Amino acid sequence: EAQVTQNPRYLITVTGKKLTVTCSQNMNHEYMSWYRQDPGLGLRQIYYSMNVEVTDKGDVPEGYKVSRKEKRNFPLILESPSPNQTSLYFCASSLFSGSYEQYFGPGTRLTVT
Amino acid sequence: DQQVKQNSPSLSVQEGRISILNCDYTNSMFDYFLWYKKYPAEGPTFLISISSIKDKNEDGRFTVFLNKSAKHLSLHIVPSQPGDSAVYFCAAYYDKLIFGTGTRLQVFP
Repeated sequence: EAQVTQNPRYLITVTGKKLTVTCSQNMNHEYMSWYRQDPGLGLRQIYYSMNVEVTDKGDVPEGYKVSRKEKRNFPLILESPSPNQTSLYFCASSLFSGSYEQYFGPGTRLTVT
Repeated sequence: DQQVKQNSPSLSVQEGRISILNCDYTNSMFDYFLWYKKYPAEGPTFLISISSIKDKNEDGRFTVFLNKSAKHLSLHIVPSQPGDSAVYFCAAYYDKLIFGTGTRLQVFP
């Protein structure tokens, strides 16, 4: 089954404790992206990757890191999480950067206390 | 600066009636528009799209209308069904996808 998977689905952590949210897709997509969803703000792009070893900042990259060492994986790293990073996170992928339709993972709900 | 806006955070419609979800945008460079549907505890899924060279696209019960002069698009669902209850995001594409804030649709019996 073609899908985007994320782990963990739910995470509660404390300020400053490094964490990684994994994302993997099995569709051989070149383009991958991370979004956060917050009430009243919709989906905002954090980082994106047009291909292996090519990543760039989205609209809200502060406090986040990413890496793209393999085509299928695109982990999101929070080196020192803060309470304002409490949010619902989605990983997405598409065939290439100009593809309009993106396929989303199920989401990771993160709470930072 | 919100380039894509959905001014109605929620909408309640009776089953069988028409649901109309609206979306406004500010950037005239957007050349493609999409609607995504999101159920609780799931990621958004693509629903329907329209190119900027068209003014209407239909797919079963779902129709998207684009009014470029007004920078406005709308999603019509006819007839509405309880299973349509979800959050709907409009999105616009220029060099990347920009999402609106979402509208929660509730279809009641």
